[in-house]
Amino acid sequence: DAGVTQSPTHLIKTRGQHVTLRCSPISGHKSVSWYQQVLGQGPQFIFQYYEKEERGRGNFPDRFSARQFPNYSSELNVNALLLGDSALYLCASSLEGTPQETQYFGPGTRLLVL
Amino acid sequence: DQQVKQNSPSLSVQEGRISILNCDYTNSMFDYFLWYKKYPAEGPTFLISISSIKDKNEDGRFTVFLNKSAKHLSLHIVPSQPGDSAVYFCAASANSGTYKYIFGTGTRLKVLA
Repeated sequence: DAGVTQSPTHLIKTRGQHVTLRCSPISGHKSVSWYQQVLGQGPQFIFQYYEKEERGRGNFPDRFSARQFPNYSSELNVNALLLGDSALYLCASSLEGTPQETQYFGPGTRLLVL
Repeated sequence: DQQVKQNSPSLSVQEGRISILNCDYTNSMFDYFLWYKKYPAEGPTFLISISSIKDKNEDGRFTVFLNKSAKHLSLHIVPSQPGDSAVYFCAASANSGTYKYIFGTGTRLKVLA
């Protein structure tokens, strides 16, 4: 069975640009979460979606937005990119997105903002 | 405010010996804990989890211990193998509020052949 897939794997953008990252969850999983991991830190929660509804949002500015589609795939959008947005962006999926469920991570998208 | 802390950034262990990775947390609402392993250029891979109603969970070479009174958990790997060399993250979630994991900063384990 395919795991969580993310695209693209790598991306280089310049300050002020916009970026869209994509995620496909494990088949049968209805919840997708997004995390940002900067070098030397653990992943930081950005969003969780379940059945196309936002269920939670972390401490990130409004430049970050996301959505989930009827097939449960998801997009993370970041506007007006800053140098500090350079990070590994991870997508995780789980069956129902409840707190005591295991989340399974994709390989990530590495974003570099110049 | 770091609610989940991994105070050892790195650990080196000889092949065949036990690796013990530690994690402390401050939020008493956390009731589900996980360990993930991460290789460079890959996403975190789930290893093992434990609910707060238990104090121990085993899966093959991996055992997680939870001490709720001390707000401490540890991951034991026995015997350690060179393929275990990776960064290990502990994560915690609370059964209320936002459905998110809070991660520690990771411990880099190196298993020496």
